[in-house]
Amino acid sequence: TQLLEQSPQFLSIQEGENLTVYCNSSSVFSSLQWYRQEPGEGPVLLVTVVTGGEVKKLKRLTFQFGDARKDSSLHITAAQPGDTGLYLCAGVGTYNTDKLIFGTGTRLQVFP
Amino acid sequence: DSGVTQTPKHLITATGQRVTLRCSPRSGDLSVYWYQQSLDQGLQFLIQYYNGEERAKGNILERFSAQQFPDLHSELNLSSLELGDSALYFCASSVAYDKKETQYFGPGTRLLVL
Repeated sequence: TQLLEQSPQFLSIQEGENLTVYCNSSSVFSSLQWYRQEPGEGPVLLVTVVTGGEVKKLKRLTFQFGDARKDSSLHITAAQPGDTGLYLCAGVGTYNTDKLIFGTGTRLQVFP
Repeated sequence: DSGVTQTPKHLITATGQRVTLRCSPRSGDLSVYWYQQSLDQGLQFLIQYYNGEERAKGNILERFSAQQFPDLHSELNLSSLELGDSALYFCASSVAYDKKETQYFGPGTRLLVL
């Protein structure tokens, strides 16, 4: 069974601080996605990383896929209250029949 | 707005009852996915339909069933409801069936079983 563990589970910070969220697994994924979910809404795809070691930037968000394609990180620089939400990583398996596996989630609260 | 619609937004019912959740995918999307999100289990894949046919099955209970109609909307039927079925149920859609395709999530249906 492929599992994705995210850490930390909860994060409460002040506006302007930096933070990193980790997504770890013992399994290899062909690609990994990051989503943000706000209260009352469904998850929204932020980015997909495909190649081991790949780094993608989305404004103040930096996503990295581990060299072995088993883990990923999300770094937010100078967090803002608008970044508040549930961050989910999701792994795409290496077999065609594999389903999308979602991580355990990191709930971020950024206070002004 | 993802373009995926789900009804109803909220549903309160009693144990033992049966409910139907409805999903309309984005225009042009042929694939529909159903997910359950609970506090203890996180976001779990239930089932996927592509162009009316079941494509993949996840952690879906036998008390649950789904179908996709010719107009591509989908319904998730939950029967003999238990307290533990209380959760957010999301529908997502994508153009085709490849799991690498971007999935667009609806706003969800919040089910409360009393």
